[in-house]
Amino acid sequence: EPEVTQTPSHQVTQMGQEVILRCVPISNHLYFYWYRQILGQKVEFLVSFYNNEISEKSEIFDDQFSVERPDGSNFTLKIRSTKLEDSAMYFCATGQGQIQPQHFGDGTRLSIL
Amino acid sequence: AQKVTQAQTEISVVEKEDVTLDCVYETRDTTYYLFWYKQPPSGELVFLIRRNSFDEQNEISGRYSWNFQKSTSSFNFTITASQVVDSAVYFCALRKTYSGGGADGLTFGKGTHLIIQP
Repeated sequence: EPEVTQTPSHQVTQMGQEVILRCVPISNHLYFYWYRQILGQKVEFLVSFYNNEISEKSEIFDDQFSVERPDGSNFTLKIRSTKLEDSAMYFCATGQGQIQPQHFGDGTRLSIL
Repeated sequence: AQKVTQAQTEISVVEKEDVTLDCVYETRDTTYYLFWYKQPPSGELVFLIRRNSFDEQNEISGRYSWNFQKSTSSFNFTITASQVVDSAVYFCALRKTYSGGGADGLTFGKGTHLIIQP
């Protein structure tokens, strides 16, 4: 079964550094999402992306965050200047259509020191 | 604003018992979708079911069943004859339905940690 692939599985970064998380969507999926889950807490929506632009974003997704799909395959989340509170598991999800279920990758654990 | 409440933080049962996980939601939208996801100890999120707001039929898939009641804004999940492998955190989620072409994020509940003891 096709999978959403996320790299790296674990990223350790110094506070203030930029980090890029990568996601390879399922090949025929058109809708892309980023979520985060702080340890022990619920999964929170960050941003959705469709037709090469942001479709919706949450309050968490401030100016420090950006997304792009630079080469038509990878879907990336960039955090410009990381903070301690950015430490979390970041999940990429993709969907075939607007109303189709979102399928999640295994996540990237981001640890900010 | 949308909200999903999973009041049960943790449930512990002995293997082979039936267990029901509660989910109550709030939304102003007349059409929406409800989901359940499973998060095993390995951490990934596994899609279990999607239900749209027009379809109040209960659904059964093997040992899993879902009871959607629009009148009480609930979408409960029952595992029959539980097994140790069912141990996981289960999340209920809600998504509104856009009339346009946008992509909608899911609103998750806080999750219920289900422990199945042998």
